[in-house]
Amino acid sequence: QLVESGGGLVQPGRSLRLSCAASGFTFDDYAMHWVRQAPGKGLEWVSGISWNSDNIGYADSVKGRFTISRDNAKNSLYLQMNSLRAEDMAFYYCAKSKVDGLLTSPLDSWGQGTLVTVSS
Amino acid sequence: AIRMTQSPSSFSASTGDRVTITCRASQGISTYLAWYQQKPGKAPKLLVFAASTLQSGVPSRFSGSGSGTDFTLSITYLQSEDFATYYCQQYYSFPPTFGQGTRLEIK
Repeated sequence: QLVESGGGLVQPGRSLRLSCAASGFTFDDYAMHWVRQAPGKGLEWVSGISWNSDNIGYADSVKGRFTISRDNAKNSLYLQMNSLRAEDMAFYYCAKSKVDGLLTSPLDSWGQGTLVTVSS
Repeated sequence: AIRMTQSPSSFSASTGDRVTITCRASQGISTYLAWYQQKPGKAPKLLVFAASTLQSGVPSRFSGSGSGTDFTLSITYLQSEDFATYYCQQYYSFPPTFGQGTRLEIK
């Protein structure tokens, strides 16, 4: 099970930190991802992190502004979002890689999503 | 980044119909393709991976095929719970990318 938190209303240019609490599987065996979906739009991969944090990737649209991290001792995934823009407004989903340790993999478990609204 | 293009973007069908959704990659991705189903207000659900392998628990009326650049998701004998939006995703190369989605509506 994956449960996101930390979403909410934030002004453009401000920061927000999302969290994802994982349970029901061995968290530190799997790469994890953030995927977002603007209201009424399609899915956009945002960022991914390998099981040991050695491999990290970002979409070009968020590179330099967002930082993904994980704490395996706490079974938790994070997304620090800085310099937020109107186009970052979306539901943010935490998702688990299906394959052990592989950063690029199908995503076989998703959280319910947390909504980030960027508006003044 | 590899571009994934789905067709059609939306269409309507009736329960009991057989439907096919296509997904085309802008370059070859072998069979590194997944299909997801998303219902309104819900998270996506993995249906198929490796182009044709059904995820555990997914009904056998769903099937995937293809390799290289052209892929299909077929649903035989549509059920009411199958009306949803479907997305393809390539995981052949970084960054992983999704198709724009195909919305399947009840006729």
